[in-house]
Amino acid sequence: QVQVVESGGGVVQPGGSLTLSCAASGFTFSSFGMHWVRQAPGKGLEWVTFIQFDGGNKHYADSVKGRFSVSRDNSRSTLHLQMDSLRPEDTAVYYCAKDGSDYGVWIDSWGQGTLVTVSS
Amino acid sequence: AIRMTQSPSSLSASPGDRVTITCRASQDIGSYLAWYQQKPGKAPKLLMYAASYLQSGFSSRFSGRGSGTDFTLTVTDLQSEDFATYYCQQYYSYPRSFGQGTTLEIK
Repeated sequence: QVQVVESGGGVVQPGGSLTLSCAASGFTFSSFGMHWVRQAPGKGLEWVTFIQFDGGNKHYADSVKGRFSVSRDNSRSTLHLQMDSLRPEDTAVYYCAKDGSDYGVWIDSWGQGTLVTVSS
Repeated sequence: AIRMTQSPSSLSASPGDRVTITCRASQDIGSYLAWYQQKPGKAPKLLMYAASYLQSGFSSRFSGRGSGTDFTLTVTDLQSEDFATYYCQQYYSYPRSFGQGTTLEIK
């Protein structure tokens, strides 16, 4: 069955950096787009970024553009999110999520999330 | 950016009731709409896609309608497992956007 497992969350100071990873299994990773979606404590879902199946196209939310960078390693079925210049408002559970296609439609599978806390 | 607005933000209902949640897009998104269900402490799950297609594993008590800017999610004969938070999301364009969520609570 489809499984995506996030790692790399933790506590980081404002202005710091953190890299999240997502290990995928149970599907042909190289054939599907992937997303990161976050959820601040007690709040709703916020879409963060999408990367196309081959890494050729990437899209970002305005709130993270220029600070976050998404990448993927199809040989290792792994997705990454490099987060720089972190702010307290970036504090959230970050979900790795599988797209329903190669080019970007709905999200059909979600990981359990990893918590990122930005605090001094 | 497309703004998605859900109403109501919360809803109290009893088992056996029929409820409807509304999602409105700030511009025409065709049928490029998905619904997700999230229970406390858990990841969201895809409930519906293309506005009216039910994801495998969910009861036919759930139905979705709409196109353009106005969409609805209806749940009939509410069961205990249906009490959760529901989000709509447009995938018509980037950046993707979610509604603020509707929490369905037991009355």
